[in-house]
Formats: sequence, C-alpha cells, structure tokens
Amino acid sequence: QVQLVESGGGLVKPGGSLRLSCVPSGFTFGDYYMSWIRQAPGKGLEWISYISSNTINTGYADSVRGRFTISRDNARNSLYLQMSSLRAEDTAVYYCARSSRSSCTWFDSWGQGVLVTVSS
Amino acid sequence: EVVMTQSPATLSVSPGERVTLSCRASQSVSNNLAWYQQKPGQAPRLLIYGASTRATGVPARFSGSGSGIEFTLTISSLQSEDFAIYHCQQYNYWYTFGQGTKLEIK
Repeated sequence: QVQLVESGGGLVKPGGSLRLSCVPSGFTFGDYYMSWIRQAPGKGLEWISYISSNTINTGYADSVRGRFTISRDNARNSLYLQMSSLRAEDTAVYYCARSSRSSCTWFDSWGQGVLVTVSS
Repeated sequence: EVVMTQSPATLSVSPGERVTLSCRASQSVSNNLAWYQQKPGQAPRLLIYGASTRATGVPARFSGSGSGIEFTLTISSLQSEDFAIYHCQQYNYWYTFGQGTKLEIK
C-alpha cells in the first residue's frame, strides 16, 4: 500500500526558513517523479515543485522559484522541500505527491499534509 | 499560465441524482486533465486521468469526458460518500488546478 508521510511543518516568522520531509513506503521511491503541492486555508490546490526520479530535473512555480528548493535522497527514501524567505502567503498545508515514472503528470498518491504557518 | 475554471463553485444535490461538474481551460490542454476528490481534512484522491481514465479503485459511477478546453466529470448516482470538493488539474503545460467545485447535500 502506497503511503507518503510528511513532517517538518510548524510556525515560522516571515523571512524564516523551514525544511519539509516526506517519507514514502509501499513502492520503489526511486522510480517515480515526486512533487510538492500546497493548499492555503480555504483555497484551492497549487503545485509548487517537482523532481525527477533521477534527481536531474526539477521545476518550480513562479511563486516559489528562487526561495524553495526540492531535493530527494533515493538511498534514504526521502523527499525534501527547503523553504526560505518565507512570506505570510506561504501559509498552507503542504502535500507531497507521487506522479508517474516517466514525467510529472497527474498525482496518484498524496501524503496527509503538513501545516506551515508563516506569522510574526 | 493555463488557468482552469470550474463551475459551479457549489452544487446542492440530493443522493441518487446524476451530477455533472465542469472544468474549462484557458487554452487547449489536449486530454491532459485529471480530476480529484477531496473531503474535509483529507488529502485529495485521484479519480480520473487522461480526461477519461478512472484511477485504480474508483467506482464506475464516476466518469470523465472532454478534450481541448472543455471537460466534465459526471457522477451517475450520487452516494453519501461523494459529497466533497472536486478539483480538476491540467498537466499539459506545467501543472495548474481549478478552484474546486463543492458538492453539498440538498
């Protein structure tokens, strides 16, 4: 059974940094593209970043490019999102999600999400 | 950016009814369209990809159609567990979601 478990969320001041982690189970993590997707309170979903299975390719939404960095360690079975220069508008539940083996497409498995609150 | 617009924002329906949700893209996304169901406090669940292919384990009462810029998700006979928010997502040019349609009990 595919499972994704995020951690690392919490309260951070504007301008601060935070690192999210996502630990997968139930599938061969290194075979799949992975993404981070967020949902601000009461709002819709926003894709923010993807990373290819071999770590070579990454992509970012304009809203986070230059501030967030996605990475993965296939040997340690972990996905990460390093967030810096955080703003109030980054407040959201952050989900890690699995895509396909060959590219970032639809998202067939999601974690339960972790809340990041940016506030002074 | 490809903007996805879902309509209506909220739909009040009764169990057993047939319902159709709409999703429109600001430019053609071919058939690179997925639908998700999200219940309160839960992560989204993939229902449909490729505009019309049901994901594993999704009941047959859910069906998707469309291509280009107009897409629909149809639930043939609403069950109590179907009351939720439904999101569409395009993956033709980067990845964008609609704002969601909330299905509520009438």
